[in-house]
Amino acid sequence: TQLLEQSPQFLSIQEGENLTVYCNSSSVFSSLQWYRQEPGEGPVLLVTVVTGGEVKKLKRLTFQFGDARKDSSLHITAAQPGDTGLYLCAGGYGGKLIFGQGTTLQVKP
Amino acid sequence: ETGVTQSPTHLIKTRGQQVTLRCSSQSGHNTVSWYQQALGQGPQFIFQYYREEENGRGNFPPRFSGLQFPNYSSELNVNALELDDSALYLCASSFLQNTEAFFGQGTRLTVV
Repeated sequence: TQLLEQSPQFLSIQEGENLTVYCNSSSVFSSLQWYRQEPGEGPVLLVTVVTGGEVKKLKRLTFQFGDARKDSSLHITAAQPGDTGLYLCAGGYGGKLIFGQGTTLQVKP
Repeated sequence: ETGVTQSPTHLIKTRGQQVTLRCSSQSGHNTVSWYQQALGQGPQFIFQYYREEENGRGNFPPRFSGLQFPNYSSELNVNALELDDSALYLCASSFLQNTEAFFGQGTRLTVV
């Protein structure tokens, strides 16, 4: 069974702080996606990483895929209240997505 | 370009009833996957449809079934509803079986 574990599950920080969310597994994935989800809405794709060691940047967000393609991290620099939401990592496996349980981020003004 | 749309957005059903949820895939996408998301959890894979055939299934009982139509839209049917079926049901479309998927806004199902 493929499992993805995210940590931390909850994060409450002040505006301007930096944070990192981790996504770990014992399984190898063909790709890894990060999504952001608002309450009552569907997840919105932020980035896809496919190559071990790959690093992608999206404005203040930096995504990294582990060398062995088993883990990933999301780093947010100078967090803003608009970054508040549920962050989900999802591993691609056999044409389907395996999701972590999510990290709820609250950024206080 | 049209995104993924789901209907209805909210639904309340009684235990034992049956429900049908609908999904229109994003323009150019031919694969539809369905996910169940319980409150405070990540989405769980139910099944995927490609070329109108089921192409992979998660750990869900047979009372969860689906269809895909020639225009790539899809339906999720759940029979004999149970209280634990209360969740947000998400549809995601992708091109071929590329796991980069784009999600609809979901259908919030409440079983009472």
